[in-house]
Amino acid sequence: DIQMTQSPSSLSASVGDRVTITCRASQSISTNLNWYQQKPGKAPKLLIFAASNLQSGVPSRFRGSGSATECTLTISSLQPEDFATYYCQQTYNSPWTFGQGTKVEVK
Amino acid sequence: EVQLVESGGGLVQPGGSLRLSCSASGFAFSSYAMNWVRQAPGKGLEYVSAITNIGGITHYADSVKGRFTISRDNSKNTLDLQMSSLRVDDTALYYCVTVYSGSYFYWGQGTRVTVSP
Repeated sequence: DIQMTQSPSSLSASVGDRVTITCRASQSISTNLNWYQQKPGKAPKLLIFAASNLQSGVPSRFRGSGSATECTLTISSLQPEDFATYYCQQTYNSPWTFGQGTKVEVK
Repeated sequence: EVQLVESGGGLVQPGGSLRLSCSASGFAFSSYAMNWVRQAPGKGLEYVSAITNIGGITHYADSVKGRFTISRDNSKNTLDLQMSSLRVDDTALYYCVTVYSGSYFYWGQGTRVTVSP
C-alpha cells in the first residue's frame, strides 16, 4: 500500500495567516491526490481533487499544488471557518490511502 | 439533494456480527462505485471496502478481508456491509461514500460501531 505522510500533524495559526500543509507519498502518485476538510462531528468534505482542482463551491483561498511524491495544500488567508482537520488521499493505487491528518487550530 | 444515510451501528461484543446499511437518494446510485470508510475515535480516515457500480467487483482492506462483505442492491439504492468476527479495533464511525471522478464525492454522516466486552 502507498503510505501518505502529512506534515505538520498540527499547527496553530491566526485568522489571516497563510497556511501550508504538505503531503508526501511513499512512491510517485502523479497528481492522483485529493484534499478533504473535516470539522468536529461532521463528515469530511472534498476540497481539492487531482492535486490542484478546486471542488465546486470551495473558496479560492484554498489552493492545491504538486505532483509525484509531494503535494501541498495552501490556505492563502485563514478564515474562522477554516479551523479544522485536513486529510490528503492518494487515488493512484488501490487501496486508496489517507494521510494521518493535519489539525489547524487557533493560535 | 444527495443523501447518504447509514444505519445499523451499535454495541457488539468481540466476535459478534453487525450489518450496516446505507440508503442513497438524490443521484443515480447505480452509476457509481461505492466505498465504506471508517474513523476510529480521535483517529484518521481508513478505507474499508469498495464495490463497483453494478457490484461485480469488490475489494477489502487487509484489516477486514475475510470478515467483512460489501454488497449493494441497485433496485433499492442501498449499500450494505456485513461485518463478522468483530474485534475491538473495528470500533469506529463507518461512513458510506460515493466514488466520483477519482474522489470521495459524497459522504454520509456515519454510523457508529462499538466493539467491547
